[in-house]
Amino acid sequence: GQQLNQSPQSMFIQEGEDVSMNCTSSSIFNTWLWYKQDPGEGPVLLIALYKAGELTSNGRLTAQFGITRKDSFLNISASIPSDVGIYFCAGQRSSGGGADGLTFGKGTHLIIQP
Amino acid sequence: KAGVTQTPRYLIKTRGQQVTLSCSPISGHRSVSWYQQTPGQGLQFLFEYFSETQRNKGNFPGRFSGRQFSNSRSEMNVSTLELGDSALYLCASSFPTGVTDTQYFGPGTRLTVL
Repeated sequence: GQQLNQSPQSMFIQEGEDVSMNCTSSSIFNTWLWYKQDPGEGPVLLIALYKAGELTSNGRLTAQFGITRKDSFLNISASIPSDVGIYFCAGQRSSGGGADGLTFGKGTHLIIQP
Repeated sequence: KAGVTQTPRYLIKTRGQQVTLSCSPISGHRSVSWYQQTPGQGLQFLFEYFSETQRNKGNFPGRFSGRQFSNSRSEMNVSTLELGDSALYLCASSFPTGVTDTQYFGPGTRLTVL
């Protein structure tokens, strides 16, 4: 099935650094979502974006819904050890039958070096 | 409010067997979606149930089926298991508005097929 292009695939950063990751698609989405997944657990919702151009923050996390509706980015400021994990972007379309299933990126594996 | 719960958390089956996984959504949520997560294919949408009806379906063979009960709890069944069905199966619930459908995930069921 279709997947979003998420980059980078992995990031090795120092504690305290800022992090930036993004997702692009050849198709338009009505909703963009960002999730974090820890080993052995399900994805946890971080930020949901519903309008093109929307910029939303959740603590040290900031995400934007691209104007073209084909991309989104997530920034994490001043990273801390508990930020370690895999971050997934997900896009969703809406139709007359309701919202479609989520289309996911392959994930960005964030590793923080002390 | 309790989150999405999935049972069992771990399951080991052999090829050819069938399996049933269970999901209880967040209280008040009426939509349940199922996803398969594997290292190779990532997170892929299986199907979505709303008001006891399958509303959306991903690109999986007919061996994968599901149902939803009147209390919104959902079950997923996989028949004639294959080795490639080994995966983390995730359930997500939402209170769909018709346009937005913010999904919250459970911890998943880890299925191993031997």
